[in-house]
Amino acid sequence: AQKITQTQPGMFVQEKEAVTLDCTYDTSDPSYGLFWYKQPSSGEMIFLIYQGSYDQQNATEGRYSLNFQKARKSANLVISASQLGDSAMYFCAMREGTTGNQFYFGTGTSLTVIP
Amino acid sequence: DTAVSQTPKYLVTQMGNDKSIKCEQNLGHDTMYWYKQDSKKFLKIMFSYNNKELIINETVPNRFSPKSPDKAHLNLHINSLELGDSAVYFCASSQEFWGEKLFFGSGTQLSVL
Repeated sequence: AQKITQTQPGMFVQEKEAVTLDCTYDTSDPSYGLFWYKQPSSGEMIFLIYQGSYDQQNATEGRYSLNFQKARKSANLVISASQLGDSAMYFCAMREGTTGNQFYFGTGTSLTVIP
Repeated sequence: DTAVSQTPKYLVTQMGNDKSIKCEQNLGHDTMYWYKQDSKKFLKIMFSYNNKELIINETVPNRFSPKSPDKAHLNLHINSLELGDSAVYFCASSQEFWGEKLFFGSGTQLSVL
C-alpha cells in the first residue's frame, strides 16, 4: 500500500482564491510527522509546513495551513489568497517513528494559479 | 550560507561515461540522502547514510555507488552512464528524529546523451 497518496495530479485556482491540496497517509505508527514541500519550476524543494502526529492543533505558516484529520489519515494543505508565485508542484511527505530515517513522498500535485 | 550544497548543478555527458555528484551539509545533521526525481517528478529514495553508515539502499543499479567520507559529505558516483539515468538528483539531510524535516540541496540535472 502507498504510504502517501496525492490524488490530484493537477489543480487550477483563481488568483486570490483559496485552494486545498489533498494528501492521505497510511501508517500504524503512533509517532509520525507530515510535511509539505513546494517545488517551483526553478527546481528547488522548499519546505512549507509540518504537522506532528501528537499535535492537537492544525499547523499554520502564513498563508499555508494544514488540515489535519487524524482519524481519516488526511493532511491536506490549504493555501489561502493564492498568488501567481504559488504555481508549482506540491509534495506531501511522511516520516514515521519506527522507520525514522525514511521519508515517504507522494506523487505530487501540480498547482496552476490563474490570473 | 548554503545549508545543503551539491555540485555540479548541471551535468551533461555521454553514455558510458563515469561521473560524480558531490554533496555537503553544514547543518550538523547525522543523516544524508540521495533522491532521484524522474521526468514525472516522482521522488525516489536511492540511499541514506547515518554517521557514514549506509542505512537505506533501495533497488538501485550497482553502477550507482554512494560514498560518505564523513557525516557532512555524501557523494554519488555513477559508472557507465545510461540514457535512463537522466534525471534530477537531490541530496538531502536531516536530524535523526521523525519530527525533523528534510533539507534539500538545489539538485543536479543530469543529462545523458
